[in-house]
Parts: sequence; structure tokens; C-alpha cells
Amino acid sequence: GNSVTQMEGPVTLSEEAFLTINCTYTATGYPSLFWYVQYPGEGLQLLLKATKADDKGSNKGFEATYRKETTSFHLEKGSVQVSDSAVYFCALSYSGNTPLVFGKGTRLSVIA
Amino acid sequence: DAGVTQSPTHLIKTRGQQVTLRCSPKSGHDTVSWYQQALGQGPQFIFQYYEEEERQRGNFPDRFSGHQFPNYSSELNVNALLLGDSALYLCASSQTGTSYEQYFGPGTRLTVT
Repeated sequence: GNSVTQMEGPVTLSEEAFLTINCTYTATGYPSLFWYVQYPGEGLQLLLKATKADDKGSNKGFEATYRKETTSFHLEKGSVQVSDSAVYFCALSYSGNTPLVFGKGTRLSVIA
Repeated sequence: DAGVTQSPTHLIKTRGQQVTLRCSPKSGHDTVSWYQQALGQGPQFIFQYYEEEERQRGNFPDRFSGHQFPNYSSELNVNALLLGDSALYLCASSQTGTSYEQYFGPGTRLTVT
């Protein structure tokens, strides 16, 4: 079946450090890929998405590129802020009406 | 434009009891999906409702059931609660035939004692 694997956390970074959170997937065909963010005590917010190979999703300084050849969708940010502290989930689906399959999440803590 | 709303925010129940959680989708959305997020885990798909019928179902027992109303809002019912049902229950809405985005509500935190 389809699955998503992301690097285990927690990840602790100093403010302005470079962030990479690795995500790889196993799926048939060509799923769409997503990064969701969950702030403490809240639900999930869509951070960015990519719907086909070589697409780059970007938002709020975060970006991720859909790499079909390596089945990866790594999340990056050049300079993290304390406000980026949250749990980040990588996910895939085939349309807005098929279930999202999530990774286990990676907790990011950014310290000033 | 109101986003996805869920009620209640928190709930405490005893083993064996039954619970009903509610969700109102984002305006213009006709599809509602429910997910269970156990502590420290990613959300797991429970089921999806469209046109008042269950369209897809994940690997959850029949104790989990749902309903969708003509106004597209939805309920999740869990019978014979177990300690392991303690989790954050998330509702997500989407519009059939459009983009790939599911919009999530803030969730209902269920604690079973």
C-alpha cells in the first residue's frame, strides 16, 4: 500500500539556521504530495503542495520539490524562526477526495 | 469565509460509553473526511462522506460510524469506547472534482478513562 516515511524528530535548531526535513514515499502512479504543519493545540494547516514530478511547492519561505526518481519531497527553509516551531507532516493523496496518507510527523523546535 | 469547524473542543468519556463528534465543512465543500490522530502519530483515515453516504473507509472497526446531513455537515460516532480511542479527531473537507486540497478543522480531543 501507499506509505510516507519522514525523518524522526525532534529537530532542534537555532534561529536563522537552515532546515531540512526528509520525506520519502511509496506509491503507485503519480500522487500529489503535501506538507502540513500543526502548531501546538491546533489542527493541521496546509503548508505547501506539489501535484506532479519536478514541481516545487513553496510558502512562507518553505519549499519542497517533487522528485519522482528518488520518490522524495524534502522540506527546506533557509532561515528558521522561533515561530516555525511546530510538528510537520508529509502526506500524499491522489485527489481531493482520496484519503491523505501521512507520515508520523517531525517535531521542530527553534530556539532563540 | 468560515473554515472547517468542529465541536466539542475537548471531551472526556468513560470506557464503554458512546460519543458523537460534529463537523461543519468549509463553505462550498461537499465532502467530509474524518481522521484519528493518536498522540505522537500522524493522522489515520477513518472514513469519508459524500452525498450523505460513506464513500471510503479506512481500517477502523464498525464501532466507528458516521453520518452526513443535507447541509454537508457530518457526525462521527464511536460506540463502546476503549482506552485506545483516546486521540485527536480531525475533520477535513474538500470539494469533489476540484483541487487536491483538504482543509482541516481544529479537531476534537477525546480522552477515554
